[in-house]
Amino acid sequence: AQSVAQPEDQVNVAEGNPLTVKCTYSVSGNPYLFWYVQYPNRGLQFLLKYITGDNLVKGSYGFEAEFNKSQTSFHLKKPSALVSDSALYFCAVRDTGGFKTIFGAGTRLFVKA
Amino acid sequence: DGGITQSPKYLFRKEGQNVTLSCEQNLNHDAMYWYRQDPGQGLRLIYYSQIVNDFQKGDIAEGYSVSREKKESFPLTVTSAQKNPTAFYLCASTSGANTGELFFGEGSRLTVL
Repeated sequence: AQSVAQPEDQVNVAEGNPLTVKCTYSVSGNPYLFWYVQYPNRGLQFLLKYITGDNLVKGSYGFEAEFNKSQTSFHLKKPSALVSDSALYFCAVRDTGGFKTIFGAGTRLFVKA
Repeated sequence: DGGITQSPKYLFRKEGQNVTLSCEQNLNHDAMYWYRQDPGQGLRLIYYSQIVNDFQKGDIAEGYSVSREKKESFPLTVTSAQKNPTAFYLCASTSGANTGELFFGEGSRLTVL
């Protein structure tokens, strides 16, 4: 069975500092991995994905994520946080064999000015 | 513009009534999904459909039903058997290749009184 864990309910960071939002996953085969962002009372917006190839993937708004197969992790990072990055972030996994897509519980990011 | 339209945005119903949430997409996507979002629990998969006239149960399908008679449409019925239906419901779609990211609607907030 697929599963995703986001171990931190909330991450607090000062503007201009680097940020990391953690994600670990479990799938029976190889994973496709995704990060999304959600603003209040809205749908989710896609940030980036890992399908294959380079373990470091770059996405929208300066975000990047590193796929680590041995640690089954896909942490989201940004070198310099902005106040406008404050939102709810979701990690998701899909087994390469199908379409079923499972999300983590989400991590709320607060960036303080 | 292409996208996913969910309606209604807000819905109030009395306990024991069935409710149908609409989801329409004009992205020509093959796969469609329904998720339920509750605070602190992330997105939980209710049903998904890879092609017309076919759908699979997700992790919390009990008390819900769906149909996929047209490629563009994937309505969700919240039945009276669903014990705790008050939630934010999100519809999503993706292209035929299972490497694609999900595109989300703006959500429907159901409140059962």
